[in-house]
Amino acid sequence: GQQLNQSPQSMFIQEGEDVSMNCTSSSIFNTWLWYKQDPGEGPVLLIALYKAGELTSNGRLTAQFGITRKDSFLNISASIPSDVGIYFCAGLPPYSGGGADGLTFGKGTHLIIQP
Amino acid sequence: EADIYQTPRYLVIGTGKKITLECSQTMGHDKMYWYQQDPGMELHLIHYSYGVNSTEKGDLSSESTVSRIRTEHFPLTLESARPSHTSQYLCASTARGTGIEQYFGPGTRLTVT
Repeated sequence: GQQLNQSPQSMFIQEGEDVSMNCTSSSIFNTWLWYKQDPGEGPVLLIALYKAGELTSNGRLTAQFGITRKDSFLNISASIPSDVGIYFCAGLPPYSGGGADGLTFGKGTHLIIQP
Repeated sequence: EADIYQTPRYLVIGTGKKITLECSQTMGHDKMYWYQQDPGMELHLIHYSYGVNSTEKGDLSSESTVSRIRTEHFPLTLESARPSHTSQYLCASTARGTGIEQYFGPGTRLTVT
């Protein structure tokens, strides 16, 4: 099946810094989703992207659907302590089949913020 | 934002016990899913359903079973819990039709002693 490579695996940053993470694949995707998971909670949908080249913001978060359709990026500006958590990307390939409508999840980026 | 609920939030139980993890959603979503996740690790799909009386196994083999008798309810059952079942179990749902975004419940943290 499709595989998503999410990087970096973890990030240690200072409060106030900007954060960038990405998700890449050797296959194309029709949709990209970005989730955040707080410790002990379920993932929460942050941003959904539906078209190649699309750039979407949600507060301090900005995500882009790569023009090649094989990648997506998430940026967080001016990080604050509550941004701590695990960020997951998920992609939907063009001809999905099998479980969960073919959504494939990355392994997550752990964000740790030092005050 | 979907309203999706899971109970219990935490469960500690002895080996050999039968358990049922509850998942309910109030959005009328057709599609529901169960994921298993070890702390801080990736999500593994174990079961999904496209509607009432529809259940399928996911990508990760699991000894658990599920049922979908009502649209809003998708319980997961372990007939005989083992320590290897210790994990977090996440339920999710998607809107009917061409809905893609999955909305997750808060999870059940299961510990089998």
